Amino acid sequence: NAGVTQTPKFQVLKTGQSMTLQCAQDMNHNSMYWYRQDPGMGLRLIYYSASEGTTDKGEVPNGYNVSRLNKREFSLRLESAAPSQTSVYFCASSEPGRNTEAFFGQGTRLTVV
Amino acid sequence: RKEVEQDPGPFNVPEGATVAFNCTYSNSASQSFFWYRQDCRKEPKLLMSVYSSGNEDGRFTAQLNRASQYISLLIRDSKLSDSATYLCVFFTGTASKLTFGTGTRLQVTL
Repeated sequence: NAGVTQTPKFQVLKTGQSMTLQCAQDMNHNSMYWYRQDPGMGLRLIYYSASEGTTDKGEVPNGYNVSRLNKREFSLRLESAAPSQTSVYFCASSEPGRNTEAFFGQGTRLTVV
Repeated sequence: RKEVEQDPGPFNVPEGATVAFNCTYSNSASQSFFWYRQDCRKEPKLLMSVYSSGNEDGRFTAQLNRASQYISLLIRDSKLSDSATYLCVFFTGTASKLTFGTGTRLQVTL
């Protein structure tokens, strides 16, 4: 059971470089999310997609773009990485509704130097 | 006011102690409530949902107070393995959005 798969697990970027974080889920969930987690802090929502074909900004969208490629895949793009984007990124998916569990990928540890 | 407020801790308790965490929320449209557990450098995982009438799962009891807009988690007979960060989570149906608290760190010691 793969659940939610994120790639890569680790990445080091230079300031100004771009990259795309990939996320795929095999649970047929409609909703997918991207969060970032900084040391000692909780998860802050970057973008989410309530269903295929829709995306919405979360709490901290600046510097990021997303694509809901299909129901399975939701990618996060950093166009011009900055040191402030050094963080752990988590992708999650869930089926909207009461008492529905969100499943997370293992995270991507990104360092921007 | 932040959407979710949670005491960051850390809570340092001896094994066998009872410990409780609270989490307040400001969005009255929040429909579903959860507690997640996160171990160091790992992804969060569901600990338990929180039901209006309160619910229990072994040593863990969760409660919801809609009038005062908070949820709580009570852990009885703490174990060393309970050491982790506990995150409160709210689901807002109108936006299909999951909002996380900053987490409360629990350290259970011998």
